[in-house]
Amino acid sequence: QTVVTQEPSFSVSPGGTVTLTCGLSSGSVSTSYYPSWYQQTPGQAPRTLIYSTNTRSSGVPDRFSGSILGNKAALTITGAQADDESDYYCVLYLGSGIVVFGGGTKLTVL
Amino acid sequence: QLQLQESGPGLVKPSQTLSLTCTVSGGSISSSRYCWGWIRQPPGKGLEWIGTIYYSGSTFYNPSLKSRVTISVDTSKNQFSLRLSSVTAADTAVYYCARQDTSHPYFDYWAQGTLVTVSS
Repeated sequence: QTVVTQEPSFSVSPGGTVTLTCGLSSGSVSTSYYPSWYQQTPGQAPRTLIYSTNTRSSGVPDRFSGSILGNKAALTITGAQADDESDYYCVLYLGSGIVVFGGGTKLTVL
Repeated sequence: QLQLQESGPGLVKPSQTLSLTCTVSGGSISSSRYCWGWIRQPPGKGLEWIGTIYYSGSTFYNPSLKSRVTISVDTSKNQFSLRLSSVTAADTAVYYCARQDTSHPYFDYWAQGTLVTVSS
């Protein structure tokens, strides 16, 4: 079974830059997996940030960016703000209609 | 503006079938550009994809849930539905319905989520 891996937690200072990653238990992530990223605060539905590796969803500020770094998908937040403190999830498309969520990264801004 | 809203019982007994409906407003469920998915989140845990349906009725399910899941669509009502059979306490979760773009397979619109508790 394919497992999508994310860092369980990360911290960043206000104004700092942080890169969260999304990998595969076996193999490398490429654009063919159409990586997407979602932000979720407690009690709220997820908010779509990035799709197809690096396309920002409507209304998402440009301090959020997506890329492929090495063998993983990556979400970079530049100039972190207090309200960026959230859980972040990546999703990979495995083909044949199947998608898999990563376990999520809890980002702390302090 | 597209909106999705889940509806269904908030409490289901163990071994019974969980049934939820997602009503889509502000857009047609019959568009070939989109498909429609269910995702869940147990309390304090991460998100899990359950399955997706196209307006044509084609379905794709999480292999770990496939034996218990049925997703259907009613284009006349602009709704799609989830049935999860033989539930246990492990199925207690917030259930979300969402729209999925077929050309860039990601979820672009989400409903607010509904908590379903499995308990006797």
